[in-house]
Amino acid sequence: GNSVTQMEGPVTLSEEAFLTINCTYTATGYPSLFWYVQYPGEGLQLLLKATKADDKGSNKGFEATYRKETTSFHLEKGSVQVSDSAVYFCALSDGGTGTASKLTFGTGTRLQVTL
Amino acid sequence: DAGITQSPRHKVTETGTPVTLRCHQTENHRYMYWYRQDPGHGLRLIHYSYGVKDTDKGEVSDGYSVSRSKTEDFLLTLESATSSQTSVYFCAISEPRTPYEQYFGPGTRLTVT
Repeated sequence: GNSVTQMEGPVTLSEEAFLTINCTYTATGYPSLFWYVQYPGEGLQLLLKATKADDKGSNKGFEATYRKETTSFHLEKGSVQVSDSAVYFCALSDGGTGTASKLTFGTGTRLQVTL
Repeated sequence: DAGITQSPRHKVTETGTPVTLRCHQTENHRYMYWYRQDPGHGLRLIHYSYGVKDTDKGEVSDGYSVSRSKTEDFLLTLESATSSQTSVYFCAISEPRTPYEQYFGPGTRLTVT
């Protein structure tokens, strides 16, 4: 079956530091890949997505590139802010459009950014 | 914010009692989902719905049932709650054009004692 593995947290960084959160996946076929973010006390929000190999998803300064050869989708940001403190989830979907999408999530990585 | 509410937001119940959680949306989205979030497991899909009265099981459906009698409401029922069902439950919605772009509700924290 499908699975997503992401690095253990928590990750603690100083403001303006470079961020990488690793994510690798196992799936049959050609899944779509996502990063969701969960701020304290809230539900998850879609941060970025990539639907085919070599696509780069980006949003709010975050980027991730769909690497089929290494089955990876690492999240990066060049300069983190305190407001980026949250839990980040890598996820995949093997469904297409027109059908309900069953997402498979990683366990989440907590990021804490300090001044 | 997507118009998704969950009720109750917090609940404490005893083992063996039935519990129903409600998800209500004002977006008229076709697909609705129930997840549970547990430390070390991320989010896991319990059940989902692809239309009124159309539901299917997810990864961790044992001990749970769902119903969807109208587009805006998706109910999750624990017929006889157990301590292993202590968790945070999230409802999500999505549309056929972008089903993977799921909008999540604020969650319900359920404690079974």
